This record gives sequence, C-alpha cells and structure tokens, in this order.
Amino acid sequence: GQQVMQIPQYQHVQEGEDFTTYCNSSTTLSNIQWYKQRPGGHPVFLIQLVKSGEVKKQKRLTFQFGEAKKNSSLHITATQTTDVGTYFCALGGGNTPLVFGKGTRLSVIA
Amino acid sequence: GAVVSQHPSWVICKSGTSVKIECRSLDFQATTMFWYRQFPKQSLMLMATSNEGSKATYEQGVEKDKFLINHASLTLSTLTVTSAHPEDSSFYICSASAGLANQETQYFGPGTRLLVL
Repeated sequence: GQQVMQIPQYQHVQEGEDFTTYCNSSTTLSNIQWYKQRPGGHPVFLIQLVKSGEVKKQKRLTFQFGEAKKNSSLHITATQTTDVGTYFCALGGGNTPLVFGKGTRLSVIA
Repeated sequence: GAVVSQHPSWVICKSGTSVKIECRSLDFQATTMFWYRQFPKQSLMLMATSNEGSKATYEQGVEKDKFLINHASLTLSTLTVTSAHPEDSSFYICSASAGLANQETQYFGPGTRLLVL
C-alpha cells in the first residue's frame, strides 16, 4: 500500500521561531490529512488537503499540498509553547484506514 | 463535532489476563471503526478494521485470535486483548468513521493505556 515519509523526526525551536514538517510520497496521493497529538493525548484532526497545489491556513498554521500531489508540508509561524506535540501526516480517511507518517515531534523552548 | 469515547482510559493487569476495551461513537453511527496501536515515541499503526455485523479485517502481523474485535452495533466496537503479556503494553486508540472513503475525517477516541505486568 501507499506509504509516506515524514521529516524531520524531531525539531527543537525557540519560542517565536518558525517550524516546518514535510511529508513525501513516491506515488500520487488522492488526499492527505494532518493530525496533532499532544503529549499523552490522542491524535486530533487538523485538516485535509485534496487539490493539487492547495494551500490552507489556520491562524499560524499553513498547510500545502504539492502540485504533483506527492508531497505536503505544515508550517507554523512564530511557534508558541502550546504548539508542542507530534504532528502526523496521514493518508486515507473516511472508511479507509489511515496510514500515518512517523511524525515530527516538536518541542518549543520558552 | 463527533465524539468517540473509549473505556477504560488506562488499565494495569497481570500477565495472562484478558482485557476488554470499548470504543463508542456517542453522537453518530459509525459504519467503520478502526483500532490502532501506538508504542512509545512511535507512530500509530493500524491493527484492524471493523465493520458492523461482519468480521474484522486484521493487518498483517496482528493475531486475530489474540486481539478479538467485536462490532455488534453501529456505535460500539470492542477490542479484547486475550492472555495479555508485557509486550502487549501499549496505547490502544480507536477511531470511527461515518463518511465515504477519503471524504471524511476519522474521529479518534481518547485512547487506552495498557500496562501488562
């Protein structure tokens, strides 16, 4: 089945710095979803991207889907301590099982 | 938004005992439920897909006789870890879907932390 590679595995930033995590696939994706998991918590759905070249924003978060629909990124502007957690991209959704990337663990130093 | 509950939230048991975990969709009917497992500092891995009224579909490497899944109604799926051993200690998370493939999100339960001594 389809798989997705996510990098980096860890990212430590000073509060106020930006953060980006990337997901890449060797095959064209029909969609990609992004989740956030706080330490000790469960994954929380952030967004789904479907269209080629799509860019969506949620406050300080910007999500992009590549033109070829083989890669995606999540960018956080001016990180805050509340952004701490692990960010996962995932393929699938609905009544199709989710295939998660390995996740990027973000720590923010105040 | 859609809410999925999971019970218990954590359980500690002795090796050899069985543990049942419940996953309920509280305000919607879930055509499909999924069970994932997450070991510390790792990603979520799908264990099985559960459809109401039919047998669960297990992922390769997941023993169906050890991880019994019952999806008796559109709002309840249960996972029973039979004869649990320390290596089964993990974070078990269910999710529920009410929509069409790739057109809806899955709603996750809060997870169950299992520690087998």
